[in-house]
Amino acid sequence: QSVLTQPPSVSAAPGQEVTISCSGSTSNIGNNYVSWYQQVPGTAPKVVIYNNFERPAGIPDRFSGSKSGPSASLGITGLQTGDEAVYYCGTWMSSYWLFGGGTKLTVL
Amino acid sequence: QVRLAESGGGVVQPGRSLRLSCAASNFPLSNYDFQWVRQAPGKGLEWVALIRFDGVGKYYADSVKGRFTVSKDNSWSTVILHMSSLRAEDTAVYYCARVMGSHLEKSIYMDVWGKGTAVTVSS
Repeated sequence: QSVLTQPPSVSAAPGQEVTISCSGSTSNIGNNYVSWYQQVPGTAPKVVIYNNFERPAGIPDRFSGSKSGPSASLGITGLQTGDEAVYYCGTWMSSYWLFGGGTKLTVL
Repeated sequence: QVRLAESGGGVVQPGRSLRLSCAASNFPLSNYDFQWVRQAPGKGLEWVALIRFDGVGKYYADSVKGRFTVSKDNSWSTVILHMSSLRAEDTAVYYCARVMGSHLEKSIYMDVWGKGTAVTVSS
């Protein structure tokens, strides 16, 4: 059971949008920056959002991040089949790292 | 192109040791922190350890503390994870990742990942 709670799965049709939540507490998400990682099956994770809402170079603006109090969210608009993956939130706790349990995104 | 490549995985008996390496290409290892993250078959990501850029600061997950040791060899551009007293539950793909950001601001994240190396602990 992860301290950071994510829904196990979400789904939407191509072209639609989806939001993945990451629920924590004031002691973790509430006081630290959140990053999000995309893991396509069989491949290594890749960062898609860091510092709550920043996008690394090469990540399309269809991906967005936000944070409010003890919770964070990853939004993806204009869904494409290539977005199918498991998404993890994460945060650094000064002496250890926390990952959420992961959310499997299915693009129907 | 910035790259990380893990090696050293394999099948090992419970109680034995294994040494994983993470080779860095096209950037100076000495300037960065690194993390090891593992993923058991069919499971999510689990943080294992972090080593600071100076090789002195080290942090471990409770599940591996006292059994795993992380180190850096800047001259060989390599990060090492030495695993001892291995257990079946250590079976996983082990990823090495470069850390970016500020510890002071608690804003670190992992920007470059290797492809991983698989470790199977079984008799």
